[in-house]
Amino acid sequence: AQSVTQLGSHVSVSEGALVLLRCNYSSSVPPYLFWYVQYPNQGLQLLLKYTTGATLVKGINGFEAEFKKSETSFHLTKPSAHMSDAAEYFCAVSDNAGNMLTFGGGTRLMVKP
Amino acid sequence: NAGVTQTPKFQVLKTGQSMTLQCAQDMNHEYMSWYRQDPGMGLRLIHYSVGAGITDQGEVPNGYNVSRSTTEDFPLRLLSAAPSQTSVYFCASSYLRANTEAFFGQGTRLTVV
Repeated sequence: AQSVTQLGSHVSVSEGALVLLRCNYSSSVPPYLFWYVQYPNQGLQLLLKYTTGATLVKGINGFEAEFKKSETSFHLTKPSAHMSDAAEYFCAVSDNAGNMLTFGGGTRLMVKP
Repeated sequence: NAGVTQTPKFQVLKTGQSMTLQCAQDMNHEYMSWYRQDPGMGLRLIHYSVGAGITDQGEVPNGYNVSRSTTEDFPLRLLSAAPSQTSVYFCASSYLRANTEAFFGQGTRLTVV
């Protein structure tokens, strides 16, 4: 069975500061890893994904994430937070067969002016 | 370009009532899924389908039924609503499997009283 743990249900940063959202996963097979973002009263949309190959993945809106197999982590970062980044962020893992996508509990990012 | 369309957006049910949440996609995606979102628990998979005529259970299937008679439509039926089914429900579709980008509907906020 696969699972995802997101450390910190709420993260607050100042505008212009580094954003770091943590994600650890468990999977018995090499995982497919995703970060999704949810703006208020909307569905989720894909930020970035890791399948195979390069472990540093770049996504939309300046976000990136690094797959670290030894640490079973896939943390999301952005060098400089913008007010428009305020949203809820979800890490997710899928198995190779692609039958199921398992989400973490989510991290709400707040950006202070 | 509609993407994934869910109806209704809001619904209030009385305990014991039944209803169907509608989901339609116009992207010719094979994989469709239903999730429920509850605070602090992320999204949990209810049922999924890898193609027309094929459905399977996810993490929390009890109290829900699905069918997939066409590629486009994937309705979710609540058989006898309970207060524990108060949640926000999201339908999603992916091109082939859950390990490709998921496109989400806008969600249905369901309250069971």
